[in-house]
Amino acid sequence: EILMTQSPATLSVSPGERATLSCRASQSVTSDLAWYQQKPGQAPRLLIYDASTRATGISARFSGSGSGTEFTLTISSLQSEDFALYYCQQYNDWPKTFGQGTKVEVK
Amino acid sequence: QVQLQESGPGLVKPSQTLSLTCTVSGGSVRSGSYYWGWIRQPAGKGLEWIGRVYTSGTTNYNPALKSRVTISLDTSRNQFSLRLNSVTAADTAVYYCARENAFRSGYCIDYWGQGTLVTVSS
Repeated sequence: EILMTQSPATLSVSPGERATLSCRASQSVTSDLAWYQQKPGQAPRLLIYDASTRATGISARFSGSGSGTEFTLTISSLQSEDFALYYCQQYNDWPKTFGQGTKVEVK
Repeated sequence: QVQLQESGPGLVKPSQTLSLTCTVSGGSVRSGSYYWGWIRQPAGKGLEWIGRVYTSGTTNYNPALKSRVTISLDTSRNQFSLRLNSVTAADTAVYYCARENAFRSGYCIDYWGQGTLVTVSS
């Protein structure tokens, strides 16, 4: 099973600032990497797939990069609605696995 | 717009079987382009894949749960279902149904249900 490790666990950022979230895979997942946003009491929402492609309707504030074992989600200028929990997930191998999440909170 | 909705008992006794159904609207489970799956999330914890089913009926299960899980399609009702046997308190979680879509690199989830809390307790 591929272990996904996200860092940091919590990221404190002021509105308008940039947030950079990291995700590391225990072995290469090529570009088979997605990012999800989850707000309290809600289902996750797909933000990024194939490591760097924004899903339909997702703001250009969100960008993904990386391949192999190192990935990054960048939120260019945090808006109030962006404070949430973010998960990465690999879909290169079964079982598909998620990181433990990064909480982006207001500084 | 595809919508998925979970349904089933919110309380299950230990050693019994957890059964959930996901009803799909705005799309068909017959479509050959998608997988239909189940993911769970214990309170305050991360997400865990349970398994998925393809239109053909082919399934993939998480090895950690494989001996206890069955996922199946009901194309006549446009639904798919989850059965998890011999449950314990460790199976208490919010259970999500989801659709996996094919992207350039592979399949990943593009639509989720709202989730349903299942508590295992006597």
